[in-house]
Amino acid sequence: SAVISQKPSRDICQRGTSLTIQCQVDSQVTMMFWYRQQPGQSLTLIATANQGSEATYESGFVIDKFPISRPNLTFSTLTVSNMSPEDSSIYLCSAMPGRTEAFFGQGTRLTVV
Amino acid sequence: GENVEQHPSTLSVQEGDSAVIKCTYSDSASNYFPWYKQELGKGPQLIIDIRSNVGEKKDQRIAVTLNKTAKHFSLHITETQPEDSAVYFCAASKEAGTALIFGKGTTLSVSS
Repeated sequence: SAVISQKPSRDICQRGTSLTIQCQVDSQVTMMFWYRQQPGQSLTLIATANQGSEATYESGFVIDKFPISRPNLTFSTLTVSNMSPEDSSIYLCSAMPGRTEAFFGQGTRLTVV
Repeated sequence: GENVEQHPSTLSVQEGDSAVIKCTYSDSASNYFPWYKQELGKGPQLIIDIRSNVGEKKDQRIAVTLNKTAKHFSLHITETQPEDSAVYFCAASKEAGTALIFGKGTTLSVSS
């Protein structure tokens, strides 16, 4: 298994501002994934982050809105930029040590007011 | 792309009963099918998974079955307990190490 730590666990932000979410994995992983979970909904993939290359974004998500960094094999950040109330969600990072099971962090609960 | 459908959206059972959640997928290239349990305020936790070369897998009270021809897989929980109450998600991917596509989730309530 893997331990994935996310910070912050929750935040309340003003519209128009940006928030950077950090994700730390306790082992080296090739790929990390960022998901969004809107209230009472399923998980939607935002992007896949490989170390040493640009993140790959899913349809409906763009780099200007959700820039991602992946500086090494254990760490990644997701920034939610120019926030609006529609960005209020739980943001989850995920990783697959050993390229088998996917593990998730506890999530970052974001509220935009 | 892959699409995963999950049913039912809510399921209420009495303690000790069995619970079954079903998922179908659209992409015949998918070959990895995990199930996650998510409790309130927490991230999803992997509870069991199955790969396409296996038809059934069991772990104590939890079992998963896969029918590749029909492109559906199911989660079976026997002897349910109140602590089984949570949201359960099925997912699919084309290969281990790639991103998962999730179903919409099933809220399971087990009453004592």
